Amino acid sequence: DSGVTQTPKHLITATGQRVTLRCSPRSGDLSVYWYQQSLDQGLQFLIQYYNGEERAKGNILERFSAQQFPDLHSELNLSSLELGDSALYFCASSVAGRGEQYFGPGTRLTVT
Amino acid sequence: GNSVTQMEGPVTLSEEAFLTINCTYTATGYPSLFWYVQYPGEGLQLLLKATKADDKGSNKGFEATYRKETTSFHLEKGSVQVSDSAVYFCALILNAGNMLTFGGGTRLMVKP
Repeated sequence: DSGVTQTPKHLITATGQRVTLRCSPRSGDLSVYWYQQSLDQGLQFLIQYYNGEERAKGNILERFSAQQFPDLHSELNLSSLELGDSALYFCASSVAGRGEQYFGPGTRLTVT
Repeated sequence: GNSVTQMEGPVTLSEEAFLTINCTYTATGYPSLFWYVQYPGEGLQLLLKATKADDKGSNKGFEATYRKETTSFHLEKGSVQVSDSAVYFCALILNAGNMLTFGGGTRLMVKP
């Protein structure tokens, strides 16, 4: 158990809908990262937050957005969903100044 | 840009066989290197890491040495077990607090 929690574990929704994925980092970790894992793209970095502020953006679509709240939990919002958005979405957290990141169990999103 | 290349799988071995999974990287600076493991239906777990040239990371019988001259970080284990069956990801990070760049993953299957 990494100490990073994600909810829900599974999500099935229809095209055009909007969903919210939630992540709670390990106690004391200020950085939260979101990654997408798909069969064709592999593991791709989406976005990073540090202590409530956006720190870096990767290959994140404009339909996707995220935020980190004062209690440090983070939410990833996916809207106008398409079939191609079906993937595993992972959240990771890290201690400031340390490279290793600890991953949650992921949310499997299926868009039908 | 930065990239990580892993040998394609699946790698199929018999129990107690020697394992090598090749990983090479391209980076604009001096990265830290990681191996993560993903067991079926689970998130990514940090297996080992190395932060500078000639460092050897080790954990649970797995080892990898940071070779700057060959830009490699090959994963090895002397005697694999069925329970080692999983997908292994090589990854790099340029600076602590930045995103991880992952290789494509290598699936290992160990048969009794």
